Amino acid sequence: QLQLHESGPGLVKPSETLSLTCTVSGVSIRSTNYYWAWIRQPPGKGLEWIASVYYSGSTYYNVSLMSRVSLFVDTSKNQMSLKLNSVTAADTAVYFCARQRRIAAQLFNWLDPWGQGSLVTVSS
Amino acid sequence: QSALTQPPSVSGSPGQSITISCTGTSSDIGGNNFVSWYQQHPGKAPKLMIYDVSDRPSGVSNRFSGSKSANTASLTISGLRAEDEAQYYCSAYIHSTTLVFGGGTRVTVL
Repeated sequence: QLQLHESGPGLVKPSETLSLTCTVSGVSIRSTNYYWAWIRQPPGKGLEWIASVYYSGSTYYNVSLMSRVSLFVDTSKNQMSLKLNSVTAADTAVYFCARQRRIAAQLFNWLDPWGQGSLVTVSS
Repeated sequence: QSALTQPPSVSGSPGQSITISCTGTSSDIGGNNFVSWYQQHPGKAPKLMIYDVSDRPSGVSNRFSGSKSANTASLTISGLRAEDEAQYYCSAYIHSTTLVFGGGTRVTVL
């Protein structure tokens, strides 16, 4: 059964780097049919796509965040990770990882399933 | 890129049908059929309800249906039930290798 689980610190200080890991179980992260994505949701607000990564390392970023975001894939651990640097209070959110359907190179689609989410608070 | 536009809230009585709209542009909704809908209950992760405009994943009730006309996609819930009360989000692919979401619609069952 496919499951995704986010993990990482729940509290990050302003100007520091937010780091999260998504562990995939039940299926190989090396699947040619899927990307793996990060999405965030500030408290009481809507969803925002952050970035998507293919197992080969090809990555696509939300232009509003791309100067601060990096995604990595570790196929040996069946994990992907997110790093967001220079964080501010505006980065406080629940961060979700999800499997994303790959239609073709540079073309992606729906998200399913999602992890349960990891709340990250940016505060000193 | 701007988020897709959804009404903040929609309500209906049990058994009724409601429709949630999601308006975009020719660059997103109007440009392809990669439109999907997600249901999110409080404190839970979003759940895929509709993909490719009108397809339902296995296990999703056939009371949920999707459609699209020009730059606007729609989600219809028929035979409204108490458990349908949740937040609903649309999303679409943009040709600049970007995924965009709507602002979300709160569905209330009266």
